[in-house]
Amino acid sequence: DTEVTQTPKHLVMGMTNKKSLKCEQHMGHRAMYWYKQKAKKPPELMFVYSYEKLSINESVPSRFSPECPNSSLLNLHLHALQPEDSALYLCASSQDWGAAGYEQYFGPGTRLTVT
Amino acid sequence: GQNIDQPTEMTATEGAIVQINCTYQTSGFNGLFWYQQHAGEAPTFLSYNVLDGLEEKGRFSSFLSRSKGYSYLLLKELQMKDSASYLCAVKGTGGGNKLTFGTGTQLKVEL
Repeated sequence: DTEVTQTPKHLVMGMTNKKSLKCEQHMGHRAMYWYKQKAKKPPELMFVYSYEKLSINESVPSRFSPECPNSSLLNLHLHALQPEDSALYLCASSQDWGAAGYEQYFGPGTRLTVT
Repeated sequence: GQNIDQPTEMTATEGAIVQINCTYQTSGFNGLFWYQQHAGEAPTFLSYNVLDGLEEKGRFSSFLSRSKGYSYLLLKELQMKDSASYLCAVKGTGGGNKLTFGTGTQLKVEL
C-alpha cells in the first residue's frame, strides 16, 4: 500500500470558519509533510513532522495549525483564513526525514476555497 | 538558498523522445528528484539521482551532473498520457534537508 489519503477533497469555507484537513498513511512512514500549491506553481513546503514531532515550520501564519496525533495521521487546522489562502493543500509522507533520498509520496490534495 | 530553473513549457509528438532540463544552485546537495503532476492531481515520484550518471526506469531516464548543477529527464516513446507538468526538486543540506521544487515544465504531447 503506497497510498496517502486526504479528506475532504474539496472545502469551501468562510473567513470566520474553523475547519480541519486530514491526512493518513499506512506505509509506516515516520515523516509527514504539508504543502501548499497555487495554480501553475510548484508545491511550497509548510510543515514537516518527523516521528510525530514538528521539525520544520516554514514561517507559516498561525491561522494554520498542524497536528500529528499519531504516526499515521496528520491534521491541518484552519481558522480565520484569508481568500489568498485558497489553494491545493497536499499532504506527503516519506520513510524518514534526513539526508538520504527518501522519496515523498503525495496524497491527492484538498482543494480549499476561502470566501 | 536554492535556485532551480526549468523551461516553462515544451511540446512534443506522440512516439518521439523529449528531454526536460533542470539546472540548480543550492547551498548543499542531497539528491535530485523528478515528479510528474497531472492537472488537479498529486505529484507522483518518477526518479531520484544523487550520484552523477544516468538512471533508467522503463521509458523514463534521469541524468545528473553535480559539478554542473544539471539534470535532465528523458521520456521515450511519448504517449498522450505523458502530457503533464514535470517537477524537478532538489534536496539540500541546509534548512533541514528540505525538498525545494522548481516551477515545473508543462509538457504537451500532440498527435
